[in-house]
Amino acid sequence: EVQLVQSGAEVRKPGESLKISCKGSGYTFTNYWIGWVRQMPGKGLEWMGIIYPGDSDTRYSPSFQGQVTISADKSISTAYLQWSTLKASDTAIYYCARHDASNSSPFVYWGQGTLVTVSS
Amino acid sequence: QLVLTQSPSASASLGASVKLTCTLSSGHSSYAIAWHQQQPEKGPRYLMKLYSDGSHSKGDGIPDRFSGSSSGAERYLTISSLQSEDEADYYCQTWGIDIGVFGGGTKLTVL
Repeated sequence: EVQLVQSGAEVRKPGESLKISCKGSGYTFTNYWIGWVRQMPGKGLEWMGIIYPGDSDTRYSPSFQGQVTISADKSISTAYLQWSTLKASDTAIYYCARHDASNSSPFVYWGQGTLVTVSS
Repeated sequence: QLVLTQSPSASASLGASVKLTCTLSSGHSSYAIAWHQQQPEKGPRYLMKLYSDGSHSKGDGIPDRFSGSSSGAERYLTISSLQSEDEADYYCQTWGIDIGVFGGGTKLTVL
């Protein structure tokens, strides 16, 4: 059974850094693109970017390029989303999701979400 | 620019059917999309992939009440025999070269 298990809720202050994780299991982690999706409070889903863990090839939405970093450690089947300088507007639930096959395919498996709260 | 447009809200009665629409931007009418469901306070769930010819492939465990169809740049999700648990937000998703896009979502209310 394919599972994506995300790290727990985080509370940070503006200006702090953060790295959240998404561990994949039940499939060959290196063979499928994994993406990150933001959902701000009361809002819709936003595609942030994707990574291919096999070679760490990464693509970003123009809206998120330079604002976050997506990475992966294939030795422990885990993808990451990180911020170097958090802002209050980064407060949201972040979901990881796995593509069906290539990156030209939908997200078919979703993590449970990680709530990030940024507040002074 | 690759954009998906959805109506913000829809409603239908318990036991009835409803058809939700997702419209692809000009020049992208051949694109496949996916439908996802997000029940209140839960994460999204993949429902199906829907092609421009109307063929679709559903995710594991998705009931037969959920079906998809296409016409031109429009992609539809039809839910029949509506149940209370179908009250949720429904998002369409598509993908291009190096980019993915979500529609704004439709909030479905079951009356």
